[in-house]
Amino acid sequence: AQSVSQHNHHVILSEAASLELGCNYSYGGTVNLFWYVQYPGQHLQLLLKYFSGDPLVKGIKGFEAEFIKSKFSFNLRKPSVQWSDTAEYFCAVRLNTGNNRKLIWGLGTSLAVNP
Amino acid sequence: DGGITQSPKYLFRKEGQNVTLSCEQNLNHDAMYWYRQDPGQGLRLIYYSQIVNDFQKGDIAEGYSVSREKKESFPLTVTSAQKNPTAFYLCASSIEGASGAQETQYFGPGTRLLVL
Repeated sequence: AQSVSQHNHHVILSEAASLELGCNYSYGGTVNLFWYVQYPGQHLQLLLKYFSGDPLVKGIKGFEAEFIKSKFSFNLRKPSVQWSDTAEYFCAVRLNTGNNRKLIWGLGTSLAVNP
Repeated sequence: DGGITQSPKYLFRKEGQNVTLSCEQNLNHDAMYWYRQDPGQGLRLIYYSQIVNDFQKGDIAEGYSVSREKKESFPLTVTSAQKNPTAFYLCASSIEGASGAQETQYFGPGTRLLVL
C-alpha cells in the first residue's frame, strides 16, 4: 500500500537555525506533493505544492521544498526559522491514477522554535 | 469573503447519541472531504464527495454518515456506532480539474468533538 513517511515526529530548534523536514513516499508513478502547516489554534493551511516543472518549489513565509524523484522525497526547508514557525507540518501526496482524488498523509512533524 | 466554515467549534456528545457536524463552502468547489485528526496519527479520510448526490467511503467510514444534497454543503453525522468519536474533525474542499487532476484541498477551521 502507498504510504507517506515523515521522519521526524518532534523537532526543537532555536531561532535562526536552519530547518529541514523529511518526507518520503512509496509510489512509482506520477504524484502531486503538498506541505501543509497547522499553527496553534488555527486551521490547516497550504504551505507549498508541487505538480510539475521546476522541482524546487517556493512557498509562503520563506519555505521551500525540493522534489527528488529518484529518492521519492519532498523535503521541506527553511534557512532561518522564527518563533512564529512553531506549528505542526504535514506532508501529503496525491497519486495521479485515474479518478483518484485521495491524499495520502504523513503523520506530521511538530516543530517548536525557542526564542 | 470566500472560504470554508465549520460549526460548531466544539461539540459534546452523550453516549448513544448521533451528532451532526456542519461544513459549508462558498468557493464553488466540486469536491468536499471529511477528515479525522487524532494526536500522532495525522489526517485520516472519512468520506469524500466529488459531485452533488454522490459520495464515497474513505479509510475510516464506519460509524459515520454523510449527505451531499447541495454543492455548498457536506454535513457529517457521527452515529452511536462510532465507539471512539473524540477527535478533531476537518472539512476540506477542492476544485475538480478538467482532467480530474491538480486540485488543491483547502481546509475549514475544524470541529472538536468530545464525548461526555
